[in-house]
Amino acid sequence: EDKVVQSPLSLVVHEGDTVTLNCSYEVTNFRSLLWYKQEKKAPTFLFMLTSSGIEKKSGRLSSILDKKELFSILNITATQTGDSAVYLCAGNSNSGYALNFGKGTSLLVTP
Amino acid sequence: GAVVSQHPSWVICKSGTSVKIECRSLDFQATTMFWYRQFPKQSLMLMATSNEGSKATYEQGVEKDKFLINHASLTLSTLTVTSAHPEDSSFYICSVPGLASYEQYFGPGTRLTVT
Repeated sequence: EDKVVQSPLSLVVHEGDTVTLNCSYEVTNFRSLLWYKQEKKAPTFLFMLTSSGIEKKSGRLSSILDKKELFSILNITATQTGDSAVYLCAGNSNSGYALNFGKGTSLLVTP
Repeated sequence: GAVVSQHPSWVICKSGTSVKIECRSLDFQATTMFWYRQFPKQSLMLMATSNEGSKATYEQGVEKDKFLINHASLTLSTLTVTSAHPEDSSFYICSVPGLASYEQYFGPGTRLTVT
């Protein structure tokens, strides 16, 4: 059975800190791993990773995938209170578009 | 990315009644849409894949007679929760796949409370 495990489940940091969120996965016929940010409502797309070792970057956020060790990390540098959210990672297989989500990491950035 | 809307954004209904939730893809046609459910402090759980013009595909453990899905057009899928019970209270979110790759774009969600 496919599974996606995120750690830590929750995290509290101060503004300006750097955080690393972890996601390990076991997905049959793995195709891609996706990161989403969820603030109160529906998730918003952050990154999709398909190849090992290639960092994807958007502003202060970056992510990388290790297909050998079956994990991904999401880094947020110089955190801001607006980064407070639940960060979800999800695995996708070759069988279709459906996503298998982890439980998420709840990040709280305090002023 | 795709623009997806849902209606209503929240609904309260009495136990035993049915509730219909709409999911619309506003800026492109979607032959496939997905319905997820999210309980408080839990992750999104895929309920079913909605296929335009054919039957939906339900995930294991999801009752297809209770959660009726209709995907009658390329821009609209509906989820009807029949004979709702308090344990059906949840956040229901639909998504639409991206065109060029496999990311999904989510609607704003519908908060269902069954009293």
